[in-house]
Amino acid sequence: QKEVEQNSGPLSVPEGAIASLNCTYSDRGSQSFFWYRQYSGKSPELIMFIYSNGDKEDGRFTAQLNKASQYVSLLIRDSQPSDSATYLCAVSRSSASKIIFGSGTRLSIRP
Amino acid sequence: KAGVTQTPRYLIKTRGQQVTLSCSPISGHRSVSWYQQTPGQGLQFLFEYFSETQRNKGNFPGRFSGRQFSNSRSEMNVSTLELGDSALYLCASSLRRKALPGGNEQFFGPGTRLTVL
Repeated sequence: QKEVEQNSGPLSVPEGAIASLNCTYSDRGSQSFFWYRQYSGKSPELIMFIYSNGDKEDGRFTAQLNKASQYVSLLIRDSQPSDSATYLCAVSRSSASKIIFGSGTRLSIRP
Repeated sequence: KAGVTQTPRYLIKTRGQQVTLSCSPISGHRSVSWYQQTPGQGLQFLFEYFSETQRNKGNFPGRFSGRQFSNSRSEMNVSTLELGDSALYLCASSLRRKALPGGNEQFFGPGTRLTVL
């Protein structure tokens, strides 16, 4: 079992709709959760981080965390073609621990 | 604040050679982590340096090594290059603050694309 699992996609979503990206993790001691966006040929860019159960909203992005289910998700509202990218989920146990990345979900927003 | 910088951005080497990559973290960040990214394996953790000491290590052979200087800049070295070492090498910096929440978010540099012929 991988430490951080994501559906590789591609996930195709029509422009203006909500894109929902999911991630599960195996380490129950994980405390920090991150979402990165990576455009083709570029480096990952941090877009959200969450530490507590529940929802965290930032503009069109909402991160959702459920530690009991070991599940974290990212919702993108009003999807735009510029949101087309690979989204990486990452988790870590503590500030002294390495961050473990999932293999990413490729998102495609169709006009 | 300036972001994470990496040099060089592109490198072409031949098998058997060695290579040194450099990373300058965001000002005030004392932790530097290195990753290898390939299409087949995704983002693989190499090692992390904090206060000039290696704190975490991934599952890579000893040909991959690194160090960190007193100004938090870090270098990564790969000796006896193999064709499979061709990849995008990314470094990321963070505050690595002890108390959570917050403080261990990582910010990536643009990467060094290494091609081994």
